[in-house]
Amino acid sequence: RKEVEQDPGPFNVPEGATVAFNCTYSNSASQSFFWYRQDCRKEPKLLMSVYSSGNEDGRFTAQLNRASQYISLLIRDSKLSDSATYLCVVNDFWGKFQFGAGTQVVVTP
Amino acid sequence: DADVTQTPRNRITKTGKRIMLECSQTKGHDRMYWYRQDPGLGLRLIYYSFDVKDINKGEISDGYSVSRQAQAKFSLSLESAIPNQTALYFCATSDSRERSYEQYFGPGTRLTVT
Repeated sequence: RKEVEQDPGPFNVPEGATVAFNCTYSNSASQSFFWYRQDCRKEPKLLMSVYSSGNEDGRFTAQLNRASQYISLLIRDSKLSDSATYLCVVNDFWGKFQFGAGTQVVVTP
Repeated sequence: DADVTQTPRNRITKTGKRIMLECSQTKGHDRMYWYRQDPGLGLRLIYYSFDVKDINKGEISDGYSVSRQAQAKFSLSLESAIPNQTALYFCATSDSRERSYEQYFGPGTRLTVT
């Protein structure tokens, strides 16, 4: 079983709609959680960290559920430029990062 | 100028050849990482280094070796390349002093082993 699992998608989303997807992790001792964005085989870039109480950054909302060991990302008012692969990343106590395989989002006009 | 650079950006090599991928950073970070990315598998950690004298194996280190020549440089070597090492390779850095633990990635090296 992979340590970090994501639905690969693609999630096809009309422009202006809302899309949400989850990521599950297996290590209950995981310390930090992140969403990264990756465009077309380019380098991943940090989208946002995920805090225990949930957090928002503009149109993006991230949630953490430690009891069920998943994190989620919600994108409101989707833009064409949101089309990308979203990587779930989990950091263990020792500073090593585990990456999910990514969820592809395609925003259509 | 990019903060994390990788050379070469693309490389085609033959089975059995030794090759080296290089990573340099100007961010002053102490931690450096090498990952490979394959379709459907996400990024997998090959080696990581938390400072110049610290080298650790990741989940898929077999067939690879690394050298941390200085805080700013971290090289990945394939001693005898094989076709299943064809992948996209990323170097990344992070700063142990940053609470955010953000990783910063280089642009990647696309390696093809024929």
